Amino acid sequence: EPEVTQTPSHQVTQMGQEVILRCVPISNHLYFYWYRQILGQKVEFLVSFYNNEISEKSEIFDDQFSVERPDGSNFTLKIRSTKLEDSAMYFCASSEQGTYSGNTIYFGEGSWLTVV
Amino acid sequence: RKEVEQDPGPFNVPEGATVAFNCTYSNSASQSFFWYRQDCRKEPKLLMSVYSSGNEDGRFTAQLNRASQYISLLIRDSKLSDSATYLCVVNGPAYSGAGSYQLTFGKGTKLSVIP
Repeated sequence: EPEVTQTPSHQVTQMGQEVILRCVPISNHLYFYWYRQILGQKVEFLVSFYNNEISEKSEIFDDQFSVERPDGSNFTLKIRSTKLEDSAMYFCASSEQGTYSGNTIYFGEGSWLTVV
Repeated sequence: RKEVEQDPGPFNVPEGATVAFNCTYSNSASQSFFWYRQDCRKEPKLLMSVYSSGNEDGRFTAQLNRASQYISLLIRDSKLSDSATYLCVVNGPAYSGAGSYQLTFGKGTKLSVIP
């Protein structure tokens, strides 16, 4: 079964450092997402991406965050200057069509980011 | 703010028990509804979509009441492997109102099935 893959599975970084989380969505999917889950809290939407541009972003996704699709397979989330409160599990997801259609989205196994 | 609220749990039940989870959502414009399952420190995985007519998948039954903005999940004959956190997820208009949709997750209800 095709799956969304994410790297790294776990990263520890110092406060103020830049972090790039990488994702390979399912190959025929056109819509890509990042979600995050702070330990013990709910999964929160960060951003959706379609046709090489951001289609929606939440209030969490401020100027320190950016996303990019540098080539035909990777989808990255960059956090420019990490803060302690950025420590969380970051999930990449993809879907064949947009979620407006009720289409299923598939999550990767997550990248656990610890900011110290 | 558009929210999804769930029973806080945890639910500790013996094997073979029937357990019900409830969920309410605040955005009446929500279009589609789901139950996801999340194991500890793992990604959410789709358990089932929820339809107004109700739907059943083996031991799992989901119901949606749009008028009450209420969603339920019933697990019959619970197994040890059902132990997980169950997430109520609603797809509705994004905060920006720009016409796109996004998933909003409840905090989840933890289920522990005990031998």
